[in-house]
Amino acid sequence: AQRVTQPEKLLSVFKGAPVELKCNYSYSGSPELFWYVQYSRQRLQLLLRHISRESIKGFTADLNKGETSFHLKKPFAQEEDSAMYYCASRPMNRDDKIIFGKGTRLHILP
Amino acid sequence: DTGVSQNPRHKITKRGQNVTFRCDPISEHNRLYWYRQTLGQGPEFLTYFQNEAQLEKSRLLSDRFSAERPKGSFSTLEIQRTEQGDSAMYLCASSGGTGGHEQFFGPGTRLTVL
Repeated sequence: AQRVTQPEKLLSVFKGAPVELKCNYSYSGSPELFWYVQYSRQRLQLLLRHISRESIKGFTADLNKGETSFHLKKPFAQEEDSAMYYCASRPMNRDDKIIFGKGTRLHILP
Repeated sequence: DTGVSQNPRHKITKRGQNVTFRCDPISEHNRLYWYRQTLGQGPEFLTYFQNEAQLEKSRLLSDRFSAERPKGSFSTLEIQRTEQGDSAMYLCASSGGTGGHEQFFGPGTRLTVL
């Protein structure tokens, strides 16, 4: 069965320091991987997906098939990055349901 | 706001009562998803529609839960004989049209069962 694991419930990082949110997945096929973000009092929104290979708001994530990881990184944290981050996966049938991890709350300290 | 909308935003009910939630997807989207999110968890898939056809139901969706999308536009999720364990945030998402396969989420309906 598909599973997405985010080992950290809470990550506190000082402003300007690097950020890394960890995510591991288990799936027998070739899933599509995502990071979703939920800012305070806002709805869940897509941050980035592995197939796009893009940087959004300074965040990047590289799919490592050998380690089945999709960690989210940003070199210099900003206060507005404080939010709940969810790693998620979906089979390559792109209309299928999304499987979410439990989420990591990122708290940027001033 | 042309995004996904959900009503009501909050619902408090007593155990044993029936509740119904509504989701209005983005108008051009033909796919609609329901998820449930409990405290400390990520969203969990409940069910999925393509137009009016319900294509998949999670094992989380007990017999007390029913979802419909009668005209392929808005959807309703009904919970009969609510239990305290049904307390959660119920999220709706839609995809299709120019948005492709990206799922756009609504603000959710928070259900509290007393």
